[in-house]
Amino acid sequence: NAGVMQNPRHLVRRRGQEARLRCSPMKGHSHVYWYRQLPEEGLKFMVYLQKENIIDESGMPKERFSAEFPKEGPSILRIQQVVRGDSAAYFCASHTRRGDYGYTFGSGTRLTVV
Amino acid sequence: QQQVKQSPQSLIVQKGGISIINCAYENTAFDYFPWYQQFPGKGPALLIAIRPDVSEKKEGRFTISFNKSAKQFSLHIMDSQPGDSATYFCAASTIGNQFYFGTGTSLTVIP
Repeated sequence: NAGVMQNPRHLVRRRGQEARLRCSPMKGHSHVYWYRQLPEEGLKFMVYLQKENIIDESGMPKERFSAEFPKEGPSILRIQQVVRGDSAAYFCASHTRRGDYGYTFGSGTRLTVV
Repeated sequence: QQQVKQSPQSLIVQKGGISIINCAYENTAFDYFPWYQQFPGKGPALLIAIRPDVSEKKEGRFTISFNKSAKQFSLHIMDSQPGDSATYFCAASTIGNQFYFGTGTSLTVIP
């Protein structure tokens, strides 16, 4: 069981470019959550997805941010026209929603906007 | 509005001592309270979790104490070790929904 896989681990983008973050949940997990962590802060919820469905995107900025979890392939968090304030660690988590409700987190993608 | 408040922000404990981290929540609908441990450069890892129908849960050196009436819960790390040095996050949720995390406690265990 490879766990939750996120890539890339580090991503550097210039202001105005697009950032694309990928997350492959644990085998058998069909629910994916994205969280953002700023330095010295806790994790802030962004979006909750099931395969092909966005369940809750209440934490995601309305502009420039989008997320998807297609039937095949990883979940993608896309940030268009990045700004310096987007620099953060982005974590993906998954769980089965059966029994244990604890998330399994990936190692995160650290985005730096220069 | 911070749904879950965590304290202290940082904690230094002698090896062998007890580390105590506290959290308070507002939403009485929360029914799942996990604690996560995070090492630098890594993702948070689930340490221990509790449901509100019990007042205490123990796993090895880690214990959660839960006070439903006060809307508070805490993590106790017994016999703290240098390897326990990490950032600890409490969280709260209703089953199947987003987790609300505290702002974290940086624990340093000195030999």
